[in-house]
Order: sequence, then structure tokens, then C-alpha cells
Amino acid sequence: GQNIDQPTEMTATEGAIVQINCTYQTSGFNGLFWYQQHAGEAPTFLSYNVLDGLEEKGRFSSFLSRSKGYSYLLLKELQMKDSASYLCAVLDSNYQLIWGAGTKLIIKP
Amino acid sequence: GAVVSQHPSWVICKSGTSVKIECRSLDFQATTMFWYRQFPKQSLMLMATSNEGSKATYEQGVEKDKFLINHASLTLSTLTVTSAHPEDSSFYICSARRGSDYYEQYFGPGTRLTVT
Repeated sequence: GQNIDQPTEMTATEGAIVQINCTYQTSGFNGLFWYQQHAGEAPTFLSYNVLDGLEEKGRFSSFLSRSKGYSYLLLKELQMKDSASYLCAVLDSNYQLIWGAGTKLIIKP
Repeated sequence: GAVVSQHPSWVICKSGTSVKIECRSLDFQATTMFWYRQFPKQSLMLMATSNEGSKATYEQGVEKDKFLINHASLTLSTLTVTSAHPEDSSFYICSARRGSDYYEQYFGPGTRLTVT
């Protein structure tokens, strides 16, 4: 079967750094996405990794290791508006997105 | 570019009635559109995939006679929830993929359906 695991909930402090992990087992791999979703809204695209390594985009970075079936999303200089759910999704061999259950990130002042 | 709209953004309907949700790609041609459902505090669940001009492919457990999907043009797909029941109350989100852009899906803002 196909499986994506990420923590259910994480708490961090404003101004700090947080790393959200994602492990996956899928039939084929055509890339991994991270999306941000605020309550009651649709997901918004954060990053796409298809090769190993770290991709940095402002305060957000995403890392991928295909051999380990592992990715993480790193958020720096946390702001209150970063409180949201973060969804990890893998594009499988059929170009279907397989979604993780999401990690709810709570930012405290 | 790559904007997807949904209409309505929220709808309340009575049990037993049908409701139609539209998904439009505003500035690109969407060869493939996806319909998702999301219950509170859960992740997105893919309901069906539709390609323009052909029948939708439904995921296991999704009733095709209850959730009618029409992808009549390259910019419009509709989801009709027939004979709605309170358990159909959910957040419905569409996404679209353009041309040969196999890796990215562009999401609509979602439609909140409440069945009373």
C-alpha cells in the first residue's frame, strides 16, 4: 500500500525554528510537495522536491532524501500567521497525489 | 497565472436536494481536474479525477451516482451532489492540472457544503 506519515501536531514559539518531518512509501515517485492550509481554506503550494537535497525559499526550506523516503519542511523565524496545517504529498508513478494527514502547527507567542 | 475558482464558496441545502459546485480554470486550459473532500481535522481525500470530454474516474468507495462529475470543457468541471444528506456536509476542493504540467495541481478556494 501507499503510506505517508507526518506528525499530527506540533507546537513552536514565535521567532523560533521548527522542522516538520514526512516519511513516505509509495508506488513510484515523481516528486514531493509541501502545502500550507489554513483552517477553512484550500491548500497553497509551498515547495516541490524531486531531487535529493535542500531547497530554500525565504523562511521556508524543504529537504528530500529519496533513498530514505524522507522529507522535511523547515520554517524559520516563525510568525503567528504560520499557524496552519502543513500537508506532505507525493506524486506517485501514475502522477496521482498521495496525501499525508497533515501536521497542525501551533505557534505560541 | 494558474488561477482556479470555485462557485459557490459556501452553500446550505436541505436534505434530499441536489447541489452543483463549479470549478473553473481562469487563465489556463485544464486537461485534468480533481475533486477532493475534506472533513474537519482530516486531510484531503481524492474523490475523482476527470479529463475533459471523458468520464470521471472515481476512487474506491465514492458513489458515482451520488457525486456526478462533468468536465465538459477545458476550463470547467462540475460536481453535483445528488440527494444530499447531512453526512455529505464537508469542504469540497477542486484542483486542476494544465497540459503537460504533470507535477503541479492548482487548487480552487473550496466550497463549504452544509446539508440540514
